[in-house]
Amino acid sequence: RKEVEQDPGPFNVPEGATVAFNCTYSNSASQSFFWYRQDCRKEPKLLMSVYSSGNEDGRFTAQLNRASQYISLLIRDSKLSDSATYLCVVNTWGDDKIIFGKGTRLHILP
Amino acid sequence: GAVVSQHPSRVICKSGTSVKIECRSLDFQATTMFWYRQFPKQSLMLMATSNEGSKATYEQGVEKDKFLINHASLTLSTLTVTSAHPEDSSFYICSARDFSAGELFFGEGSRLTVL
Repeated sequence: RKEVEQDPGPFNVPEGATVAFNCTYSNSASQSFFWYRQDCRKEPKLLMSVYSSGNEDGRFTAQLNRASQYISLLIRDSKLSDSATYLCVVNTWGDDKIIFGKGTRLHILP
Repeated sequence: GAVVSQHPSRVICKSGTSVKIECRSLDFQATTMFWYRQFPKQSLMLMATSNEGSKATYEQGVEKDKFLINHASLTLSTLTVTSAHPEDSSFYICSARDFSAGELFFGEGSRLTVL
């Protein structure tokens, strides 16, 4: 099993729809989880951290399921500007490893 | 504003020359910085973990003598691509962790083209 796995997509979603994708991780000792957004030919930018209790930031909701070892990102009322690649990042403090998923490509269709 | 500054953003060099890329944390001290490489339409690949005052830890398959990393201060890490070849052409990105916040911030990336 890969350390961090994401569905590469692409997810083609009409504007205004709700879209969700998951990211699974294999190391149960993982401590910190993040979602990053990467636009074409640009560096990744932090979208949101993922907290154990789940957290929401505007149209974006992130959740962590430790029992099943996955994190999720939900985007409501999607906008054209949401089109990007979404990377999940998992950090294991013990060996200080930061593992990236390969990213999920999202295309919001007008 | 950017909290991690990476320079240069673009560099073109001749085969056989060396190129140095700088990564600076602007608003915080970073005991650990990370260097990644990204080929077109591929994911970020961790090359090495740079620890202030000690040797970098390289990922498997990354040549430490080719990709020299120096992390001499808490706000600066450098990556030197030595004797660059066309296959080294890529997008190189650094990141630094703000330990107090637990978040990872990225530099803007450096696009290297080796002719």
